[in-house]
Amino acid sequence: QSVLTQPPSVSAAPGQKVTISCSGSSFNIGNHYVSWYQQLPGAAPKLLIYDNDKRPSGIPDRFSGSKSGTSATLGITGLQTGDEADYYCGTWDGSLSVGVFGGGTKLTVL
Amino acid sequence: QLQLQESGPGLVRPSETLSLTCTVSGGSMITTTYWGGWIRQPPGKGLEWVAAINHVGGTFYTPSLKGRVTISADTSKNQVSLTLSTVTAADTAVYYCARGQMGHDCLDPWGPGTLVTVSS
Repeated sequence: QSVLTQPPSVSAAPGQKVTISCSGSSFNIGNHYVSWYQQLPGAAPKLLIYDNDKRPSGIPDRFSGSKSGTSATLGITGLQTGDEADYYCGTWDGSLSVGVFGGGTKLTVL
Repeated sequence: QLQLQESGPGLVRPSETLSLTCTVSGGSMITTTYWGGWIRQPPGKGLEWVAAINHVGGTFYTPSLKGRVTISADTSKNQVSLTLSTVTAADTAVYYCARGQMGHDCLDPWGPGTLVTVSS
């Protein structure tokens, strides 16, 4: 059972938009930056969003992040079949004194 | 650019100790700006934080593994290591090392991961 809560799966058609939620508490999301990771099948996770809403160099602006209170959201527009992957939110938990992840969300592009 | 590579035994017997090493090239793993971390992923499951270490040797462990896990760093070799004692089948996972950034709590880059299977 993960400290951060994500929906197990989301789906949408190519070209559409999808959002993935990540819910936590004041110990983690409420007081720390949120990052998002994309894990393509058979690959290691890759940083997609950091500091709640910033994109590392090379990440297209189709990917966006936001945070409000103890929740965060990843948005993906113009969906492509290549976006099919597992997406994880992550942050630090000040109560546990360790990093924490959400359970992951599997994105299917229909 | 920074590249990380995990190495380990692949197969460990139950009740024995697992030892993994992360070797870094193209830059420094641990500095005043960056720390080193280990994350694992059981087959078919999600990511789980394991441990982290910073530039002053401060260590952080996930509560469920405390007492069994130790993270260490050798800055002269640019390596971060992980040991996990008294392993069981539940410790079977792909183990990733990654670099974290101070004050930003994000992990980038990640190594490709190494699968460790606990079995007799």
